[in-house]
Amino acid sequence: GAVVSQHPSWVICKSGTSVKIECRSLDFQATTMFWYRQFPKQSLMLMATSNEGSKATYEQGVEKDKFLINHASLTLSTLTVTSAHPEDSSFYICSARDSRTGSSYEQYFGPGTRLTVT
Amino acid sequence: AQTVTQSQPEMSVQEAETVTLSCTYDTSESDYYLFWYKQPPSRQMILVIRQEAYKQQNATENRFSVNFQKAAKSFSLKISDSQLGDAAMYFCAYRSLDTGGFKTIFGAGTRLFVKA
Repeated sequence: GAVVSQHPSWVICKSGTSVKIECRSLDFQATTMFWYRQFPKQSLMLMATSNEGSKATYEQGVEKDKFLINHASLTLSTLTVTSAHPEDSSFYICSARDSRTGSSYEQYFGPGTRLTVT
Repeated sequence: AQTVTQSQPEMSVQEAETVTLSCTYDTSESDYYLFWYKQPPSRQMILVIRQEAYKQQNATENRFSVNFQKAAKSFSLKISDSQLGDAAMYFCAYRSLDTGGFKTIFGAGTRLFVKA
């Protein structure tokens, strides 16, 4: 089956620093990846859609300069939280769309990354 | 914009019994997918079942089935013969096909407790 990995699984950083989270599709190519944010006991909120080789599309209210997304290859998308603050502490989840099938419902989720900003 | 509403923050079911989780959605689109995802304590999202809006027949996956009412914009999940491993957070989700990108919008979730 299709597998999506995220690295790191948990990261602690100091306020004001930047942290990069990687999302990889291990056994398929993903022209499109999605980044979600999930606060404790809440739902997944779509942050942005990442397309390989082009700029990401951000949802309303998401600061594109704060959450930098790069989708440089068909198997890797990165989310960089710049100048992190404690309110950025959250669980970040990516999902990847399997471009092989061409089917819009084939999307697979990564295991998530817990970010704690101190 | 599309919205997904899950009106039951928590549900409880006795082991081996049946439980139904509710979901309604709002959209002006005619073509879309609906999903139920399970999120256990590990927080890994697991696809439970999906329904294509153009299909009238309700989807079924083993003990899981849906009641899809397109006109009413309702999409409930029925879990039969509930097992302890079914305890988790369940999210109803809508995926647009009309707009580019195939974005998925999630409901607020229903936490399911299974009593032994």
